[in-house]
Amino acid sequence: ELKVEQNPLFLSMQEGKNYTIYCNYSTTSDRLYWYRQDPGKSLESLFVLLSNGAVKQEGRLMASLDTKARLSTLHITAAVHDLSATYFCAVDALYNTDKLIFGTGTRLQVFP
Amino acid sequence: GAVVSQHPSRVICKSGTSVKIECRSLDFQATTMFWYRQFPKQSLMLMATSNEGSKATYEQGVEKDKFLINHASLTLSTLTVTSAHPEDSSFYICSAREGQNTEAFFGQGTRLTVV
Repeated sequence: ELKVEQNPLFLSMQEGKNYTIYCNYSTTSDRLYWYRQDPGKSLESLFVLLSNGAVKQEGRLMASLDTKARLSTLHITAAVHDLSATYFCAVDALYNTDKLIFGTGTRLQVFP
Repeated sequence: GAVVSQHPSRVICKSGTSVKIECRSLDFQATTMFWYRQFPKQSLMLMATSNEGSKATYEQGVEKDKFLINHASLTLSTLTVTSAHPEDSSFYICSAREGQNTEAFFGQGTRLTVV
């Protein structure tokens, strides 16, 4: 059974600081997704990582994927208050299934 | 990205009644649709996977007679919560994929409150 874990679960950080969120998964997969969720809202797609070594950047966020280590990271550079949200990674379960399994989520709070 | 429309966005119903939630892919044909449930401050939990024209596949612990899923066409799936109880109150989110290993797109979510 595919399990996806994120850490930390909660992150409180000051504006201007850098931090990394980690996403570990338990079985082979080469497709990983990052989403943002604001309170009371659905998911917003941030990044789609489709191969080992993939790195994508958008604004202050950068995501990477290491399929051999079964690890993805979401790096935040010079955080601003608008980045406050919950971030989820999700992994494709392989082998004749379309399932997308979500990580535990990281609730990010950025304060002045 | 592609658009998935979910309706209603918010519903309040009385205990014992049934509620239907619709999920439509607006600009693509979704061979597979997924239904998730999310409790406050928790992650998304996959309830079931539905393919057009066939019975849904439910995850372990999800009552198929309580959560009826119909995927009648390549652009529409419905989730009916039957005989709803307060513990069914949750945020329900649908997702659709055009095919295996394609990106999943999410509906806006439905906040269900059972009183």
